[in-house]
Amino acid sequence: DTGVSQNPRHKITKRGQNVTFRCDPISEHNRLYWYRQTLGQGPEFLTYFQNEAQLEKSRLLSDRFSAERPKGSFSTLEIQRTEQGDSAMYLCASSGPRGDNEKLFFGSGTQLSVL
Amino acid sequence: KQEVTQIPAALSVPEGENLVLNCSFTDSAIYNLQWFRQDPGKGLTSLLLIQSSQREQTSGRLNASLDKSSGRSTLYIAASQPGDSATYLCAVMGGSEKLVFGKGTKLTVNP
Repeated sequence: DTGVSQNPRHKITKRGQNVTFRCDPISEHNRLYWYRQTLGQGPEFLTYFQNEAQLEKSRLLSDRFSAERPKGSFSTLEIQRTEQGDSAMYLCASSGPRGDNEKLFFGSGTQLSVL
Repeated sequence: KQEVTQIPAALSVPEGENLVLNCSFTDSAIYNLQWFRQDPGKGLTSLLLIQSSQREQTSGRLNASLDKSSGRSTLYIAASQPGDSATYLCAVMGGSEKLVFGKGTKLTVNP
């Protein structure tokens, strides 16, 4: 297993366009997280999936953001009508169930630049 | 609302020195605390996880302690090396699945 994989690594888009990012977690991990990080800040929580169910969503996640995890495997994060303030590193992480292998393993992130 | 603070924001030390990074959190009702390392432009690498019932965890030259009642954790790095240069992030998980992160300490180890 090569760890958490995120695609694309970089995305440049124009304001108002839609973008979609993909995350492939470690295969045996049932928990999947999306975070957003801007320069000089720690990551901020966006949303959490346990298997295919989206169980937590941050108030940071406006209605322009949607995340899915069909069949409890890979996940996608879509941003509609992008704004310049959406420019950030989008990080995906996965972990095992509570009580077993709870460390979060992060992917390398998708760096989004909105022009 | 949980808030995590890391001091100092940046630290520069000569190679071989032992050092301590500090983390404090406002709500002591935590489930676990994790320390991560982040290299520029990269994702985070988990270093140590301490459960709320534990006092410390060790991995190689790294030792993390947790004092839940006072809302503090420290990361001790022994015999620092240039390869340890990175940003170190502390994060706490409470009753929900949300990890709350500090802003990190940027460590530079000079040869």
